Amino acid sequence: GAGVSQSPRYKVAKRGQDVALRCDPISGHVSLFWYQQALGQGPEFLTYFQNEAQLDKSGLPSDRFFAERPEGSVSTLKIQRTQQEDSAVYLCASSLGFSGGIQGSQETQYFGPGTRLLVL
Amino acid sequence: RKEVEQDPGPFNVPEGATVAFNCTYSNSASQSFFWYRQDCRKEPKLLMSVYSSGNEDGRFTAQLNRASQYISLLIRDSKLSDSATYLCVVTWEYGNKLVFGAGTILRVKS
Repeated sequence: GAGVSQSPRYKVAKRGQDVALRCDPISGHVSLFWYQQALGQGPEFLTYFQNEAQLDKSGLPSDRFFAERPEGSVSTLKIQRTQQEDSAVYLCASSLGFSGGIQGSQETQYFGPGTRLLVL
Repeated sequence: RKEVEQDPGPFNVPEGATVAFNCTYSNSASQSFFWYRQDCRKEPKLLMSVYSSGNEDGRFTAQLNRASQYISLLIRDSKLSDSATYLCVVTWEYGNKLVFGAGTILRVKS
């Protein structure tokens, strides 16, 4: 079946440009996450949606970063006035839902292939 | 201090060797624990969940020590295809975002 898809797969932007990254989650998945992975590091959480509601945006590094999921399926991560430090792989993940804080019931997150952003 | 710490490696081992990775986490309220595998230029994929009682999946064994805030992964009879970065992951009590370590690189050589 279809997994999480992301587009574009690669994006080169000039410093100061705005970019928009798209995520298509697995059909029927309620939860959607964005992560940022710098070279040689593990992914770092950016933001989380449950359906169309953005429940946690504590990881967004600045107000230049904005995410939306208006109809509860496709999500877009927008970065305004890109800076060189924004260069990273942006990963989207989706899961069926949130089962609460019981060990072992954490819904598996399935990751997309990522968008590799290079800001020159 | 990082929330999840791992030895970055690389661990270079011959085929058939047994190798162990360790990870410590700082948040005592952490709820769930996982090992993810990430191949070069690919997305992370869940390898296994980690439970207090320990769990095994084929050649892979994971252990959790809540008192020491320590997680381990043991790989027996290493295969060339095990070469990857292994990410230690926890979730916190009041959310389900994944908190990743920086990863441990494993290279299995023939």
